[in-house]
Amino acid sequence: QSALTQPASLSGSPGQSITISCTGSSGDVGKYNLVSWYQQPPGQAPKLIIFEVNQRPSGTSNRFSASKSGNTASLTISGLRAEDEAEYFCCSYAGSVVGVMFGGGTRLTVL
Amino acid sequence: QVELQESGPRLVRPSQTLSLTCTVSGGSVNSVVYYWSWIRQRPGKGLEWLGYISSSGSTNYHPSVKSRIGISLDMSGTQFSLTLTSVTAADAALYYCARGATFAGQFDFWGQGALVSVSS
Repeated sequence: QSALTQPASLSGSPGQSITISCTGSSGDVGKYNLVSWYQQPPGQAPKLIIFEVNQRPSGTSNRFSASKSGNTASLTISGLRAEDEAEYFCCSYAGSVVGVMFGGGTRLTVL
Repeated sequence: QVELQESGPRLVRPSQTLSLTCTVSGGSVNSVVYYWSWIRQRPGKGLEWLGYISSSGSTNYHPSVKSRIGISLDMSGTQFSLTLTSVTAADAALYYCARGATFAGQFDFWGQGALVSVSS
């Protein structure tokens, strides 16, 4: 089973909003409301920023929001800041046999 | 605050066994139901979930490594371990241990990662 599909890279200017898509299938993203998102700054470990499609853990800025429609999940970052420059990964449960799947990652550049 | 730290050999010979340990501080691996996981990141690639062991000892592994992987809990309650047998160059990666809040992912704490090379 292939990884979830994300755009390889995106860029935006400070203050803008950007949306990262994550496309899966009816067996993972489309079936379960168990999508999470991770932010990985260069040289650091990933950090959970969204779980269960649209829930923010304590400490995650409300500039981060997420949603899901059909087989595609989306992460929106509003009011872009230089500190948001990082790689972002989506993740979905894919059933008991496959377990957990990650997207290929999207490198966000803040211009 | 929970902290995780990977340790183990960083160089493994082809066909040999990769072994890593994750030490958990600020909590016990068997006191509350969590899913102690191993995730790897090959150079320039995305994240790949390998498997987990729950606090109760049940395991689940990704089909791509299921025949070669083992994850175990240490009786001390502060560590869990990964073994991956018959390694090849394709197993060279940055290996992370992480705590899953649910069986479905939601990895809320991560180690800093252990870079493992495979070479003779």
